Amino acid sequence: QSALTQPASVSGSPGQSITISCTGTNSDVGGYDYVSWFQQHPGKAPKLMIYEVNNRPSGVSDRFSGSKSGNTASLTISGLQTEDEADYYCTSYTTSSALVFGGGTRLTVL
Amino acid sequence: QVQLVESGGGVVQPGRSLRLSCAASGFSFRSYAMHWVRQAPGKGLEWVAFISYNGGNKYYADSVKGRVTISRDNSQNRVYLEVSGLKTEDTAVYYCARGGFRGGWSLDYWGQGTLVTVSS
Repeated sequence: QSALTQPASVSGSPGQSITISCTGTNSDVGGYDYVSWFQQHPGKAPKLMIYEVNNRPSGVSDRFSGSKSGNTASLTISGLQTEDEADYYCTSYTTSSALVFGGGTRLTVL
Repeated sequence: QVQLVESGGGVVQPGRSLRLSCAASGFSFRSYAMHWVRQAPGKGLEWVAFISYNGGNKYYADSVKGRVTISRDNSQNRVYLEVSGLKTEDTAVYYCARGGFRGGWSLDYWGQGTLVTVSS
């Protein structure tokens, strides 16, 4: 159960778009459509932003979108806002009937 | 509204055991899978365990297998995590989360977490 690979940090200016990648293997990201993305502000519990690759839960802004190509999933945030500044984590179901998380990406809105 | 409230954390000596509890409300608890996820101080999220809606299927992370047991009581709307042989590296905030949507592998609601500190 090796962690999925995410960039340690990304940054963008208000109004811009950014994309966070999440790379795994055929045994997790590439093999299943159970990829989720979470947002976590300091001291708070994680919040589900995207599930099953590209679905938004009720109440999540449509500025957040997800996609997948091969073994890499991506989270795109358009029209960046200051409140988007947070840590973002991806996760995927695996062949071991487990979940594996990415190491997390710190988003800075400049 | 969906609410998950963890309890049972605290300071524990290495080698001891601890049982964490998560009280659920605001949804049909018996219809959902549940998970435990932990986060060491200043670190990322780590999935720990899964239990199916009826307790018939349980899965664990390799890092804790053999030391952790997940269970649930659908009559009390509670899910539990027992950790034995505690190590300093088990120090973390432990979250319970609901397994929503298809298959129960999307964590759609989370509690606020309970802090476990393993220290002598």
